[in-house]
Amino acid sequence: ETGVTQSPTHLIKTRGQQVTLRCSSQSGHNTVSWYQQALGQGPQFIFQYYREEENGRGNFPPRFSGLQFPNYSSELNVNALELDDSALYLCASSLANRGADTQYFGPGTRLTVL
Amino acid sequence: GENVEQHPSTLSVQEGDSAVIKCTYSDSASNYFPWYKQELGKRPQLIIDIRSNVGEKKDQRIAVTLNKTAKHFSLHITETQPEDSAVYFCAASIGFGNEKLTFGTGTRLTIIP
Repeated sequence: ETGVTQSPTHLIKTRGQQVTLRCSSQSGHNTVSWYQQALGQGPQFIFQYYREEENGRGNFPPRFSGLQFPNYSSELNVNALELDDSALYLCASSLANRGADTQYFGPGTRLTVL
Repeated sequence: GENVEQHPSTLSVQEGDSAVIKCTYSDSASNYFPWYKQELGKRPQLIIDIRSNVGEKKDQRIAVTLNKTAKHFSLHITETQPEDSAVYFCAASIGFGNEKLTFGTGTRLTIIP
């Protein structure tokens, strides 16, 4: 198992609400990437944080936002939830050292929007 | 942007036989290709990866091959075991492995005892 943890495990929200998901990166890692995995699909890149700055973004609207803290943990915030936001949200941590980098995934947060 | 196609979507093999999963990518600049295994309700787990400076990499029963000219790469699992049953995802990225991963749609592998 990796040292990447996520909370909460499961979450149920209603349309229009806001949600915050959390990720603790593996010790020594300075980069966190967030992915959305819809049922039966591969993960889709949302965005990445490197040393507290957004470092790349996928094709997701601005209501998806994030933060990275000095200890390299990260939050994903989603505003104005829509039914299609129901998915498994995965974070992956890595060490960006311009070498043979690898992303290690957390267990995910299952978000259900009713 | 990058597009990764993965085939087949489902694969059933007898225990002990080999399994092959194939992926193609669109962006010739992609140079890092990991494979992840995801068991039901669990996190994607990296099982093997390959970078564009090599054509093949092996780790016990698992191997990956890369054909940069054709822009495709494949996962080979030999002597399959029941615990190999899972969904397998290929991915591609540009850089050192820390960058955005573009995933395929997954292959559900079932090992028949």
